[in-house]
Amino acid sequence: DAKTTQPPSMDCAEGRAANLPCNHSTISGNEYVYWYRQIHSQGPQYIIHGLKNNETNEMASLIITEDRKSSTLILPHATLRDTAVYYCIVRWFSGGYNKLIFGAGTRLAVHP
Amino acid sequence: EAQVTQNPRYLITVTGKKLTVTCSQNMNHEYMSWYRQDPGLGLRQIYYSMNVEVTDKGDVPEGYKVSRKEKRNFPLILESPSPNQTSLYFCASSSVDRGLDTEAFFGQGTRLTVV
Repeated sequence: DAKTTQPPSMDCAEGRAANLPCNHSTISGNEYVYWYRQIHSQGPQYIIHGLKNNETNEMASLIITEDRKSSTLILPHATLRDTAVYYCIVRWFSGGYNKLIFGAGTRLAVHP
Repeated sequence: EAQVTQNPRYLITVTGKKLTVTCSQNMNHEYMSWYRQDPGLGLRQIYYSMNVEVTDKGDVPEGYKVSRKEKRNFPLILESPSPNQTSLYFCASSSVDRGLDTEAFFGQGTRLTVV
């Protein structure tokens, strides 16, 4: 799986958009970008994933650059409950072996 | 409600006393796996299972055993726990649809302390 690089920490004001960047310059054509988050010491929670096109769901939006070497997770209106560690993961689907490789992630602090 | 349930949530045990952490999912998922999380080391996969009676080692399998006799259950067994297995453990499950993995669902975690 391709390696990802994320800033170790970010701050965001409550109600503002949180934009979390991720670099994955070695990504290959059949690798997906996944985002998970972990609130305190709870189990990681799936947020969103994409291959080429931008994606949006009820939690967030995912913007993938045209060359697919980087992406941005957008939380449109951050709340205090969005304070968590956010993990960007690049995965290749083999239909068999299944592992999520978690890096250090970005620790997002949402403040009032 | 779709969920992965781990038990116990907290456990303090002594070195060498066998223990089992249970994991159950109600989503009929084929894939299940165990991770451990340690400060500075992140989440690392211990074992995984692609279906009933099919298991394989992850990155840090030493000192652990697993079994997958039923699709919904994937217990983690520590035959002789040691202090270096003190950690936060997570079970996860996911489905495979036409070869494409869906998102993984994680349990709430088991905080294990071995003294």
